[in-house]
Amino acid sequence: EIVLTQSPGTLSLSPGGRATLSCRASQSVSGSSLAWYQHKPGQAPRLLIYGAFSRATGIPDRFSGSGSGTDFTLTISSLDPEDFAVYYCQHFGNSLWTFGQGTKVEVK
Amino acid sequence: EVELLESGGGLLQPGGSLRLSCAASGFTFKNYAMSWVRQAPGKGLEWVSVTVNNGRTTSYADSVKGRFTVFRDNFRNTLYLQVNSLRVGDTAVYYCAREFYGVFDIWGRGTLVTVSS
Repeated sequence: EIVLTQSPGTLSLSPGGRATLSCRASQSVSGSSLAWYQHKPGQAPRLLIYGAFSRATGIPDRFSGSGSGTDFTLTISSLDPEDFAVYYCQHFGNSLWTFGQGTKVEVK
Repeated sequence: EVELLESGGGLLQPGGSLRLSCAASGFTFKNYAMSWVRQAPGKGLEWVSVTVNNGRTTSYADSVKGRFTVFRDNFRNTLYLQVNSLRVGDTAVYYCAREFYGVFDIWGRGTLVTVSS
């Protein structure tokens, strides 16, 4: 089973700042099976990125994904006040889905 | 508008049973695999189960295998999760999600299941 480890656990930034979130897989995975989600308290999680770098419908271009093999990154180029949330990476393979433990992006 | 609406959560004692429902609207339900994902208090997201579009194939996380059953009614556009032999560790918000090529592109707002004596 693939284990995803996200870092840092918490990222404290100001609006307008640049956020770089990491997701490391326990073994090499296909980029096509790696996704990122945003989750705010009391709301439904929201798909941001699929296939490691493709933005989902309606996602602003300040969100970008990159990486391959075991190391993947979600970058938010300029934080909007609505972007403060928890972010999860997710892998799919062999009819199993796994999530990272999440990175909280909070207001500094 | 594409929407998923969960219901059926509540407060139960350990060993109890419950059936969660997820009503889908705004898309052709029978064309999509559907999953349940949960989030325990203060924890991250955990995938629970999946059923393919026609309901004939299902898969479960090891933590719920043998206790939870996922099924669907494509005429009623509804996904279900039968949860039996509940444990305190099953306390969570349960989300249903539409699965598309390995990602969850549509999610509901969730229903809270609390297991406590």
